[in-house]
Amino acid sequence: EVKLVESGGGLVQPGRSLKLSCAASGFSFNDYWMGWVRQAPGKGLEWIGEINQDSSTINYTPSLKDKFTISRDNAQNTLYLQMSKLGSEDTAIYYCARGGYWGQGVMVTVSS
Amino acid sequence: DIQMTQSPASLSASLGETVTIECRASEDIYSNLAWYQQKPGNSPQLLIYDANSLADGVPSRFSGSGSGTQYSLKINSLQSEDVASYFCQQYNNYPYTFGAGTKLELK
Repeated sequence: EVKLVESGGGLVQPGRSLKLSCAASGFSFNDYWMGWVRQAPGKGLEWIGEINQDSSTINYTPSLKDKFTISRDNAQNTLYLQMSKLGSEDTAIYYCARGGYWGQGVMVTVSS
Repeated sequence: DIQMTQSPASLSASLGETVTIECRASEDIYSNLAWYQQKPGNSPQLLIYDANSLADGVPSRFSGSGSGTQYSLKINSLQSEDVASYFCQQYNNYPYTFGAGTKLELK
């Protein structure tokens, strides 16, 4: 069974950084592209980006490219999202995804 | 970026009714379109991929159709458990983009 479990969320002050993790299990992690999607409270879905199997290709939505970095550790079956210069607009649930499989999400709240 | 225009934004229907949700892409996405269902407090669940392929475990009352820039999701014989929000997503071009969503309620 494909399982994706996000962690690392919480309350963070504006301007600070935060790194999310996504632990994958139930499939061969290093065979798949992996990605991140977010959803602000009560709002729609925003695709953040995705990374290929060997980390040689990473695609981002342009508006987030300069503040978010996606990476992965195939030995640890873990996907990461490094977020910097956070603002209130980044308050959202962050989902890890492998194609049509999504994790349960992790909440990030940016507030002083 | 490809813009996905989804309609209607909200929809009220009766049990047993057939409902249709539409998504229009700002350019041809060659059927690289998925539909997701999201119930309150849950993550989105894949219903349809490649415009008309049913995801594993999804009831057959859900179907997808369309081509080019116009796509639709149809739910036959609406059930109470279908009350949810529905989103389309194109994955033909980066950045992948979502429709704004349709909130489906029971009348």
